[in-house]
Amino acid sequence: NAGVTQTPKFRVLKTGQSMTLLCAQDMNHEYMYWYRQDPGMGLRLIHYSVGEGTTAKGEVPDGYNVSRLKKQNFLLGLESAAPSQTSVYFCASSLRGTAYLSDGYTFGSGTRLTVV
Amino acid sequence: DQQVKQNSPSLSVQEGRISILNCDYTNSMFDYFLWYKKYPAEGPTFLISISSIKDKNEDGRFTVFLNKSAKHLSLHIVPSQPGDSAVYFCAAPPTPGTASKLTFGTGTRLQVTL
Repeated sequence: NAGVTQTPKFRVLKTGQSMTLLCAQDMNHEYMYWYRQDPGMGLRLIHYSVGEGTTAKGEVPDGYNVSRLKKQNFLLGLESAAPSQTSVYFCASSLRGTAYLSDGYTFGSGTRLTVV
Repeated sequence: DQQVKQNSPSLSVQEGRISILNCDYTNSMFDYFLWYKKYPAEGPTFLISISSIKDKNEDGRFTVFLNKSAKHLSLHIVPSQPGDSAVYFCAAPPTPGTASKLTFGTGTRLQVTL
């Protein structure tokens, strides 16, 4: 049982380049999330999805786009990377929209992105 | 406006002693709180939670206390072990009852020394 898998694990981009981060989960979870972690800022929600074909903006959505074409996959895109997007990105999933007890999030191991 | 705050970015505790990690919140409507633990190069993992109808929840060496009047919760680890060295995040669902999106604190890095 792989849980939540993120690819790639590391990436260096030049300013203006584009890329897509892939998140895949094999737990049949309905909800999926993208967070970024920055020093002193904790985990901030970028976008999330409440089911296949749906997406919604989180706390810091600017500069990012997402798609959830298949239930098990949640893609995060950067159309024109900027140095401010240097961060560690975490994908998470949950069975339902509640984070209670066993429905708490399952996180991937993260993608470390550097934009130069 | 940060609704969940962890004011101590780091904490160092000797092995065998008690570790106390604190978290303050501003929204009195929060009805559930969670603690996550994160090791370097790994994603956060769920540790323990507490409902607002309780003031204490215990799981082995980990106990979370909730003081609703002070809008404060704390995580106690007794006894602390070197393997507990990690970053700890408190979190709360922003909309009571729906809880589809967790709001995380900034984290406290715990170092347990020998």
